[in-house]
Amino acid sequence: GAVVSQHPSRVICKSGTSVKIECRSLDFQATTMFWYRQFPKQSLMLMATSNEGSKATYEQGVEKDKFLINHASLTLSTLTVTSAHPEDSSFYICSARTPGEGYGYTFGSGTRLTVV
Amino acid sequence: GIQVEQSPPDLILQEGANSTLRCNFSDSVNNLQWFHQNPWGQLINLFYIPSGTKQNGRLSATTVATERYSLLYISSSQTTDSGVYFCGTSYGKLTFGQGTILTVHP
Repeated sequence: GAVVSQHPSRVICKSGTSVKIECRSLDFQATTMFWYRQFPKQSLMLMATSNEGSKATYEQGVEKDKFLINHASLTLSTLTVTSAHPEDSSFYICSARTPGEGYGYTFGSGTRLTVV
Repeated sequence: GIQVEQSPPDLILQEGANSTLRCNFSDSVNNLQWFHQNPWGQLINLFYIPSGTKQNGRLSATTVATERYSLLYISSSQTTDSGVYFCGTSYGKLTFGQGTILTVHP
């Protein structure tokens, strides 16, 4: 079945630095990928929709200059958290629409970001 | 956008018990999925079920699209069923409910 690979699974960084998270569709092409954020004991909130070859679409309230999204190929989307602060510490998950009918969305394994 | 409500928010069971989780959504959707989020955060796709009924082992799901709800049934629960269950619906962007935290005790 369709697999979405996300790396790293866990990262600790210092305040003020930037962190890049990669999301790859391993056995299918994904023109659109989605980035979610999840705080402890909360649901997943959509941050942005990543579009191959064009600008990402950000949800209301998400700072596009802080969360840079690049979708340079049909199998890779990246999320860069710039000038990270402790309040950016969270669980970030990417997903892609699974090709074919009847499969919905497939999710990466997530990245737990801790900013110290 | 679509509003998604899940109930109950928390559920505690003894191993072997059956349970029903509910997902209500506010508008017509072309996608509904049930996920299990394991302790490591991975979202496991349980069912893609925009309408009708599906079964997979001890789990089954039913979506009544005209009445805008979906049910997830877990029979003969096991401790490994513990975790958070989310439903997600979309007509475009996938929107999640708040989840049901299931704890199954041995």
